[in-house]
Amino acid sequence: EVQLVESGGGLVQPGESLRLSCAASGFTFSSYWMHWVRQVPGKGLVWVSRINSDGSTTNYADSVKGRFTISRDNAKNTLFLQMNSLRVEDTAVYYCTGGPLFDYWGQGTLLTVSS
Amino acid sequence: QAGLTQPPSVSRDLRQTATLACTGNSNNVGNQGAAWLQQHQGHPPKLLSYRNNNRPSGISERFSASRSGNTASLTITGLQPEDEADYYCSAWDSSLSAWVFGEGTKLTVL
Repeated sequence: EVQLVESGGGLVQPGESLRLSCAASGFTFSSYWMHWVRQVPGKGLVWVSRINSDGSTTNYADSVKGRFTISRDNAKNTLFLQMNSLRVEDTAVYYCTGGPLFDYWGQGTLLTVSS
Repeated sequence: QAGLTQPPSVSRDLRQTATLACTGNSNNVGNQGAAWLQQHQGHPPKLLSYRNNNRPSGISERFSASRSGNTASLTITGLQPEDEADYYCSAWDSSLSAWVFGEGTKLTVL
């Protein structure tokens, strides 16, 4: 059974940092691009970042470029999102997703940025 | 980053057909087509199709996707109560080097 389990969300103040993790199982994690997608509760999906299978290529949405860093540890089947200089507008549920495209999704982890 | 354009809501009767539209440009939808995702309230999204009409295993044949120029469409036939959900299109934008999503269409099955 495919599982993606996000963790690391929580309440932080503007300007602070946080790292999200996503533990994968049930599929060949090291073969696929992986993504982070976020969603403000009640609003639409917003793509955040992606990383290729060996970690050598990354892309970011303009809104997070220079502040967020995506990475992966294929030995541990884990995806990461390092988030620095957090802003109130980064508040959202963060999903990790991947597979051939967006085939597999976690349940999401909520990040709240508030003073 | 500019997203894709979807109508906010569509309503159709039970057992009828709904067609949801998604408009982009030549750098995204017109280039490699769109993926479609379904999201029920309180749940993560589910991929319905990618690159226009490739369905992951387990997705009903009632869902079919197509593209004409810069507009992608998702057609759902024989509407069922469980089809009531939010539907998102997404495409890789080669000029932005980013995936873009539509704002979603809320489908109501009457």
